[in-house]
Amino acid sequence: QVQLVQSGADVRKPGASVKVSCKASGYIFTAYYLHWLRQAPGQGLEWMGWINPGSGSTLYAQNFQDGVTMTRDTSIGTVYMELSSLRSDDTAIYYCAREAPRQYFDSWGQGTLVTVSS
Amino acid sequence: QSALTQPPSVSGSRGQSVTISCTGTSSDIGSSNRVSWYQQSPGAAPRLIIYEVSNRPSGVPDRFSGSQSGNAASLTISGLQAEDEAAYYCSSYTSSSIYVFGTGTEVTVL
Repeated sequence: QVQLVQSGADVRKPGASVKVSCKASGYIFTAYYLHWLRQAPGQGLEWMGWINPGSGSTLYAQNFQDGVTMTRDTSIGTVYMELSSLRSDDTAIYYCAREAPRQYFDSWGQGTLVTVSS
Repeated sequence: QSALTQPPSVSGSRGQSVTISCTGTSSDIGSSNRVSWYQQSPGAAPRLIIYEVSNRPSGVPDRFSGSQSGNAASLTISGLQAEDEAAYYCSSYTSSSIYVFGTGTEVTVL
């Protein structure tokens, strides 16, 4: 079955960077785009962008174009999301999700809590 | 791209029906049938319950149904059950090839 397993919770100081991983299994890794979304405490879902695991191409939401980098390692079926110049309002649960061919998210990771605090 | 608009909360008694609206624009909901809905229980990741406006993945009860009219979509839960108490989010693929989500709706079962 499809599984997306994310790295564990992290605490960072303002100005630092964080890198979250998402390991995919149960399907052909390069066949589906993987997306990153986040959810601030008590807030809704915010789409951050996607990576094509096959080519490595990316598309970032306008709000994240200056601070996010998405990469992949095809040898281990894992994608990464790195967020730099962290601020307190980057405190959120970060999710990876698989995009089905008809533009919806059919599988989600369990989420990774990133806390930005001095 | 602005978030899609949903009511903050809806409630209903067990067995009743509730409908959640999701209002967008001609650039998102109105541009295609790529509307999906997600259920999120406290402390859990979102779960897909409706895709392409009105299709249910296997395992999703048929009391969940979706529809679309112009720039708005809606999710109806018929025969409300206690386990339906959760947050619900709509999402749309847009004409700019990006995604936008709704503001979220908390469903309370009285």
